[in-house]
Amino acid sequence: AQSVTQLDSHVSVSEGTPVLLRCNYSSSYSPSLFWYVQHPNKGLQLLLKYTSAATLVKGINGFEAEFKKSETSFHLTKPSAHMSDAAEYFCVGRRGGRRALTFGSGTRLQVQP
Amino acid sequence: GAVVSQHPSRVICKSGTSVKIECRSLDFQATTMFWYRQFPKQSLMLMATSNEGSKATYEQGVEKDKFLINHASLTLSTLTVTSAHPEDSSFYICSARTGDLSYEQYFGPGTRLTVT
Repeated sequence: AQSVTQLDSHVSVSEGTPVLLRCNYSSSYSPSLFWYVQHPNKGLQLLLKYTSAATLVKGINGFEAEFKKSETSFHLTKPSAHMSDAAEYFCVGRRGGRRALTFGSGTRLQVQP
Repeated sequence: GAVVSQHPSRVICKSGTSVKIECRSLDFQATTMFWYRQFPKQSLMLMATSNEGSKATYEQGVEKDKFLINHASLTLSTLTVTSAHPEDSSFYICSARTGDLSYEQYFGPGTRLTVT
């Protein structure tokens, strides 16, 4: 079964500095991968998705992620953090034809002023 | 577009009572809806998958008689927590998927259930 692993439970950066949230996946099949953001007591918002069309995926709010098959990684990055980026981020996978999603454990991003 | 709503947003109930949570796709028809559960500071765990007009498929370890799911139409799915207990207190999130090939799921804002 496909799984996704988020390597950091908590990341703290200063406003204006780069953001890196790490995610590795394991799958026997070419996966579909997503990054979602969840603000406190809110639902999930899709940041971006990879579906094999392009390895570098650009999302909303300046986020992007690169699919690296050789490293089985799909790390989320942003050049410059903003205070409003503070939230919980989930790396999510879907294997092949399965409709259900598998969520990583989440990474809480804290942005210091 | 692709908005999913949940009602209520938060509910407090007494132990032993039942609670119904609604999930609606507001501007699209959802062939499949999913119900997730999220404990504090934890990730989302899929509880069940429901298709309109058919029985829900429950994940291993989820009691189907306790968490009743009804997907009566292409825009509405309900989750009923029967005979609720304090350990059922959680954040319940639904998502809906259209029938297109993107397989993208649209998430509702969640319902916080507190059982006293």
